[in-house]
Amino acid sequence: DTAVSQTPKYLVTQMGNDKSIKCEQNLGHDTMYWYKQDSKKFLKIMFSYNNKELIINETVPNRFSPKSPDKAHLNLHINSLELGDSAVYFCASSQIEGGVQETQYFGPGTRLLVL
Amino acid sequence: AQSVTQLDSQVPVLEEAPVELRCNYSSSVSVYLFWYVQYPNQGLQLLLKYLSGSTLVKGINGFEAEFNKSQTSFHLRKPSVHISDTAEYFCAVSSGGGYQKVTFGIGTKLQVIP
Repeated sequence: DTAVSQTPKYLVTQMGNDKSIKCEQNLGHDTMYWYKQDSKKFLKIMFSYNNKELIINETVPNRFSPKSPDKAHLNLHINSLELGDSAVYFCASSQIEGGVQETQYFGPGTRLLVL
Repeated sequence: AQSVTQLDSQVPVLEEAPVELRCNYSSSVSVYLFWYVQYPNQGLQLLLKYLSGSTLVKGINGFEAEFNKSQTSFHLRKPSVHISDTAEYFCAVSSGGGYQKVTFGIGTKLQVIP
């Protein structure tokens, strides 16, 4: 069974469109994340949710809006896509135990290409 | 604030040779340290982690790392690499405190040459 899954795996779209990426984890974790990995492999956190509550919101354009309907799902909606949004987006989850940031489990990634 | 420096962007090494991937961190409080591996077109997966206790940490696939507080380092080592170890390796640090974010280094590409 896949622990952290993302859909779609590939996304090719035109500038100006709106798109969503979905993420689901079946590990029972209470915390989920979205990361952006650019073409140089640099991995940067965008958002983090704990039990459906936003806890980390890095400097990300407000065209990006995360939504967590329950603690097993964290979706990412992107409005008015721009060329610079082209990247690989990773979802991850972890469990916070006794104040310790435990292992993060990553999804396979969504490769977004904006034309 | 916390940060991670991976000193080498690429490390070519011959098959069956030893390898060390370097990682230095900075943090004003106690830290938790991780190494993740990313194979081509895949997500990251944990190799090993240091939370507390013994400073020598053993991970999967024969990798190990040593936490050195005085040198603020957490270098990754393997005594004999295989072709299948070719991947991107990321060092990461978290300062704990529950909701502290994990900060990743820029990654080191390990290229194993047959």
